[in-house]
Amino acid sequence: KAGVTQTPRYLIKTRGQQVTLSCSPISGHRSVSWYQQTPGQGLQFLFEYFSETQRNKGNFPGRFSGRQFSNSRSEMNVSTLELGDSALYLCASSLNGRGHSDTQYFGPGTRLTVL
Amino acid sequence: LAKTTQPISMDSYEGQEVNITCSHNNIATNDYITWYQQFPSQGPRFIIQGYKTKVTNEVASLFIPADRKSSTLSLPRVSLSDTAVYYCLVGPSGKLIFGSGTRLLVRP
Repeated sequence: KAGVTQTPRYLIKTRGQQVTLSCSPISGHRSVSWYQQTPGQGLQFLFEYFSETQRNKGNFPGRFSGRQFSNSRSEMNVSTLELGDSALYLCASSLNGRGHSDTQYFGPGTRLTVL
Repeated sequence: LAKTTQPISMDSYEGQEVNITCSHNNIATNDYITWYQQFPSQGPRFIIQGYKTKVTNEVASLFIPADRKSSTLSLPRVSLSDTAVYYCLVGPSGKLIFGSGTRLLVRP
C-alpha cells in the first residue's frame, strides 16, 4: 500500500506570495492532518480534515487554510507569505483520526523557503 | 502544551541497547502511547504503539508499567542509522501534540 505523498517536495517563494501544498493520504484513510516544523518551534499542529470538514485547528493565523476533497486528498494554502513561514510542512493521515489506537502516518514533507 | 516529557538528548554506541523513557502523568484512560522516529528533513516514522504492559515489533519494544504514567522505548543493538529524534505521544490521532523529543546520537 502506498504511503502518504506530498507535492511539491521543495518550493521557493517570495514574501507576499501565496502557496498551495498538496497531500494524498494512504488509501482508505479519511483523516488528514497538517503540521509545520521549524527549528525554533518544533512540530506544530495546523489543522485536521475529515470528510471534507475541518475538525480541529491549531493556533495559526487565518493566512493558513486548507481543504479536503471527496477522495480525501487535501491541500493547504498559505497566503501573503512571510519569512517566518519557511518550514517543513508535513501531512499525516489516519483512518478516522479519533480512535485512540488510530495511528497517524506522515508524508515526506514539503520544504518551503520564503525569500 | 505537550502531554509528555522526555530527555532532550541521549548518547549511545553501536551495538548497545538504548532505552528512552517518557513521562505522561496525565494520560487518559483511553489514550494509547505512540513513538515516532524522525530523521532531518523527513516526516516522522511510526515505530511502535501500545496501551499497557509490553509490545514488541521487529524494530523496538515498548514497556508500559501498570500505572501507565510512563513508558520506555527500547531499541536493541542500535546502529549509526538509528541516530534520530524520537518522539513519544499520547492521545488520539488527528491532532498530535509533539514535545521536543529525544535526540539520540549513536557513536561508532
